[in-house]
Amino acid sequence: KQEVTQIPAALSVPEGENLVLNCSFTDSAIYNLQWFRQDPGKGLTSLLLIQSSQREQTSGRLNASLDKSSGRSTLYIAASQPGDSATYLCAVRRMNRDDKIIFGKGTRLHILP
Amino acid sequence: NAGVTQTPKFRVLKTGQSMTLLCAQDMNHEYMYWYRQDPGMGLRLIHYSVGEGTTAKGEVPDGYNVSRLKKQNFLLGLESAAPSQTSVYFCASVMRGRNNEQFFGPGTRLTVL
Repeated sequence: KQEVTQIPAALSVPEGENLVLNCSFTDSAIYNLQWFRQDPGKGLTSLLLIQSSQREQTSGRLNASLDKSSGRSTLYIAASQPGDSATYLCAVRRMNRDDKIIFGKGTRLHILP
Repeated sequence: NAGVTQTPKFRVLKTGQSMTLLCAQDMNHEYMYWYRQDPGMGLRLIHYSVGEGTTAKGEVPDGYNVSRLKKQNFLLGLESAAPSQTSVYFCASVMRGRNNEQFFGPGTRLTVL
C-alpha cells in the first residue's frame, strides 16, 4: 500500500531564508509526483509535476527533486516571502491500473515578516 | 476555459437529508476524482472515474455514491447525510496518460448538523 508522509507538519521561518519541504513515499512504483499549494479556505494549486523519469523540475523560486529509489522528494523554496505562507502538499500517482493519486497530509508553512 | 468547477460552494444539511455535489470540467479529461479534506487527515479519495460510465471506490467510499453519465460531469451523492460527513469536498480531473497533472476545483464546504 502506498503511503505518503510529509515532515514536518508545520514550519516557521524568517523571510528571506531558503527552505526545504520533504515528502516521502513507501512504494517507488510511481508515474509522477506533484506538489501543490493550498491557501486557507481555498482549493489546491499545482506548483510542479515531476515525472518518474525526471530528477527535478524548476519554476521560478521553486525547485522540486525526486529520488524514486529512496522514495523521497523535496521542494526547495529560495528567498522565502510572506506570500509563500500556505500549506504545501505532495501527491504521487501509483504505477498500476487503478490510477489512484495518494496525498500526504501537508506541511503548513509560515514565513515570518 | 473554466477548468474544474464545483456546485454548490457551501451547504448545510440536517442529519438524514440527501444531496448531490456536482463537479464539471471543460478540459476533456478522462479521469475524475472526489476527495474529502478534514483537519489532520489530509485529502482522502472517496470515489474516482477513469471514463464515462465507469466509477471505482477510493479509500473512504462508505456513505457516498457517484455517477459519471457524461464525460464532463462527476456527481457525488450523499443519500442520508451524517455529521461525520462534515468536510470540505474537492473534485479533480486528469487527462489520460501517465504524466499529466491533476487540476482541482475550488471545493464545497459541507456541514451536517
